[in-house]
Amino acid sequence: SQQGEEDPQALSIQEGENATMNCSYKTSINNLQWYRQNSGRGLVHLILIRSNEREKHSGRLRVTLDTSKKSSSLLITASRAADTASYFCAMVNDYKLSFGAGTTVTVRA
Amino acid sequence: DTEVTQTPKHLVMGMTNKKSLKCEQHMGHRAMYWYKQKAKKPPELMFVYSYEKLSINESVPSRFSPECPNSSLLNLHLHALQPEDSALYLCASRDPKRGAGTDTQYFGPGTRLTVL
Repeated sequence: SQQGEEDPQALSIQEGENATMNCSYKTSINNLQWYRQNSGRGLVHLILIRSNEREKHSGRLRVTLDTSKKSSSLLITASRAADTASYFCAMVNDYKLSFGAGTTVTVRA
Repeated sequence: DTEVTQTPKHLVMGMTNKKSLKCEQHMGHRAMYWYKQKAKKPPELMFVYSYEKLSINESVPSRFSPECPNSSLLNLHLHALQPEDSALYLCASRDPKRGAGTDTQYFGPGTRLTVL
């Protein structure tokens, strides 16, 4: 079941710009993950942040987590055309993933 | 090998047909998942197998029947489906020996199912 909300629903940016998307959730979590999905294909795991972490980096990705506000954000820096995809946050509780509604990102060349 | 494979890629079936979806992984993961994803929606969990035993059924209608014949293979048997069951069906696997703080799921490319 969908446990989180994401905003914006859609985002269009120019190549080289940064993209930021936010995720809010309702219940307690073990960790929160972000996944990317290209054109209705399988999901690719991007990054995981544990409930006791506040910020994490991986390449051009930066994730923050605020458990007091039950929210997370994903920042993609210096975007590329290949970053065009849907991005989902996923809340993990008892090894079950519950996905947010997703943000569709379009990077214009 | 960090790949989860799914066959077929596309499937068209009538409401009276019986068909099966197949998922395979050779990463030694002992937890496997089926998700259903409708267009422009997030994936929704259907079933979870842990060590080849069904551990979670998210109240899925009985016209969907999962099977885990061994630690590498997961099937989803379909019978008497409805047009509203048309969706992308995703399989995923996870290493259950890893703790909740570090686990991730590896997804296959999905099977695009159309029920006529």
